[in-house]
Amino acid sequence: DQQVKQNSPSLSVQEGRISILNCDYTNSMFDYFLWYKKYPAEGPTFLISISSIKDKNEDGRFTVFLNKSAKHLSLHIVPSQPGDSAVYFCATDKLIFGTGTRLQVFP
Amino acid sequence: DTEVTQTPKHLVMGMTNKKSLKCEQHMGHRAMYWYKQKAKKPPELMFVYSYEKLSINESVPSRFSPECPNSSLLNLHLHALQPEDSALYLCASSQDPTGHLEQYFGPGTRLTVT
Repeated sequence: DQQVKQNSPSLSVQEGRISILNCDYTNSMFDYFLWYKKYPAEGPTFLISISSIKDKNEDGRFTVFLNKSAKHLSLHIVPSQPGDSAVYFCATDKLIFGTGTRLQVFP
Repeated sequence: DTEVTQTPKHLVMGMTNKKSLKCEQHMGHRAMYWYKQKAKKPPELMFVYSYEKLSINESVPSRFSPECPNSSLLNLHLHALQPEDSALYLCASSQDPTGHLEQYFGPGTRLTVT
């Protein structure tokens, strides 16, 4: 039973445009959400997090939005850059990772 | 130094072998983790050590045996593994085990069981 799902396995975006990655969860007890990106042959790297008491957190080009009633969060990357091409995972404070979305940013 | 190191990078072992994976961090983190990641799947939590004590075992088979000799080191001892245990094994650390703070991951050990 996958408690955290990323329904888009892949996403392709043009450089300079916005990338929107989505994550849905089922357990309302999750308190904190984190986003990681993973390049091949490397471990995941932390990007940004959000507490369940907030609905938005921003850090440079990265913004995470949380909709608790819908049990949905999203990561916005703007502007997207080719170096952002990686697999993105959402994760919870209960150390459960989402299924991942492969983002490709093309010139 | 924000690096988590893992050795070896690759490991091939037979089902009767005994081997160990090693992980090290020098960030003063008090929580350390082992994850298993199969191809095209998310990392799955195996074990959590909090202040050098095992705090979470996610019903991992006993052929995997974790050890935390000190606050900087984490080992995973492997014995009598099955081919389905072939995966990327990731080690991570964080300042504390609440799950609210980011984890720092090593590059992983790619394990193949033959």
